[in-house]
Amino acid sequence: EDQVTQSPEALRLQEGESSSLNCSYTVSGLRGLFWYRQDPGKGPEFLFTLYSAGEEKEKERLKATLTKKESFLHITAPKPEDSATYLCAVQSSLGSSNTGKLIFGQGTTLQVKP
Amino acid sequence: DSGVTQTPKHLITATGQRVTLRCSPRSGDLSVYWYQQSLDQGLQFLIQYYNGEERAKGNILERFSAQQFPDLHSELNLSSLELGDSALYFCASSVGPSEAYEQYFGPGTRLTVT
Repeated sequence: EDQVTQSPEALRLQEGESSSLNCSYTVSGLRGLFWYRQDPGKGPEFLFTLYSAGEEKEKERLKATLTKKESFLHITAPKPEDSATYLCAVQSSLGSSNTGKLIFGQGTTLQVKP
Repeated sequence: DSGVTQTPKHLITATGQRVTLRCSPRSGDLSVYWYQQSLDQGLQFLIQYYNGEERAKGNILERFSAQQFPDLHSELNLSSLELGDSALYFCASSVGPSEAYEQYFGPGTRLTVT
């Protein structure tokens, strides 16, 4: 069964203190791994799509990387406005899963203190 | 702003009632997805439509149904509501039916069943 596990559940950082969020996945053929940011009571905001092991993508203070079993979201010198829940999701490419269905992890809630 | 619109923003109703949630996808997107987000279950895929046709079903209850209309907007119908149906319901859209296209989420409808 396709599954996504994120760790830690919650992370508190001081402003400027870099860290990484982890997303471990098992999927029957990975079509894509997605990172989203979600603010309380709002819809998830798309950040990155990664397609194959070794791929990396960057946006401002965020960098996402992918291996065959996990993905990391590195946050460099975070600011208070980076506080949010970060969600990881996978899309499978095999068999009856040939759809756009995303399987989400439970998320990591990040708090950055000034 | 993702370009995906959802109405209403909030809905409060009683057990046993029926409600309809509405979603308009981003301009040019043919796929619409519905997801349910509750505190204990996280974001769960319910159903996908592509260009008016049902593409995939997830953990959607028989009391729930959806459709996509010729103008590509979609409606999610929830009937015989139970307390446990209280959740945030998100609509997302993408260009194609699968192929790791990014999904853009709407602001959500918060459903409270009393």
